[in-house]
Amino acid sequence: GENVEQHPSTLSVQEGDSAVIKCTYSDSASNYFPWYKQELGKGPQLIIDIRSNVGEKKDQRIAVTLNKTAKHFSLHITETQPEDSAVYFCAASLFSGGYNKLIFGAGTRLAVHP
Amino acid sequence: DTAVSQTPKYLVTQMGNDKSIKCEQNLGHDTMYWYKQDSKKFLKIMFSYNNKELIINETVPNRFSPKSPDKAHLNLHINSLELGDSAVYFCASSQNSRSGELFFGEGSRLTVL
Repeated sequence: GENVEQHPSTLSVQEGDSAVIKCTYSDSASNYFPWYKQELGKGPQLIIDIRSNVGEKKDQRIAVTLNKTAKHFSLHITETQPEDSAVYFCAASLFSGGYNKLIFGAGTRLAVHP
Repeated sequence: DTAVSQTPKYLVTQMGNDKSIKCEQNLGHDTMYWYKQDSKKFLKIMFSYNNKELIINETVPNRFSPKSPDKAHLNLHINSLELGDSAVYFCASSQNSRSGELFFGEGSRLTVL
């Protein structure tokens, strides 16, 4: 089955700096890679996603890149703000048997210091 | 207005007890899920239902029994609770079983003493 590894587990940056979180996946058939943000006491919320036919996607200060050959994908946050502080999860999904099954990475706790 | 709501938000109980967590979504989605988040924040899928039918059943002890009376509701019943069941349980929904975007509830924190 699919296995997703996520690094780093914690990340501390100064406000205005960039933050990068990296994930690798094991199943080359996986075709959908979302990123979720979980704030304290809340459920995870989708912030950006990328499909396997695209190499990069950007939405304002966040961007995701995908290297299918290396089975790597990364989240980039530029000009970080204190409200970006949260736990971020990457996930990989394989559409098989009529449904998608998301497998999550272990999460990265991002702290943005003013 | 809450899209995916689950109750209770907190649950403290003794080992050996039986408890239930309820989940409802008002998004009109076809597919619902239960995820378990342990103390290290690891999110693991447990079950998924599509239009009241079980489609994903991960390696979960049979003390855990999901029930979906209709596509807007997915409840989780846990028998003979053990210390290791302590976790935050998240309900989620997606438009259909092909959709990768999940909408999560706020979680139910279960503490087994």
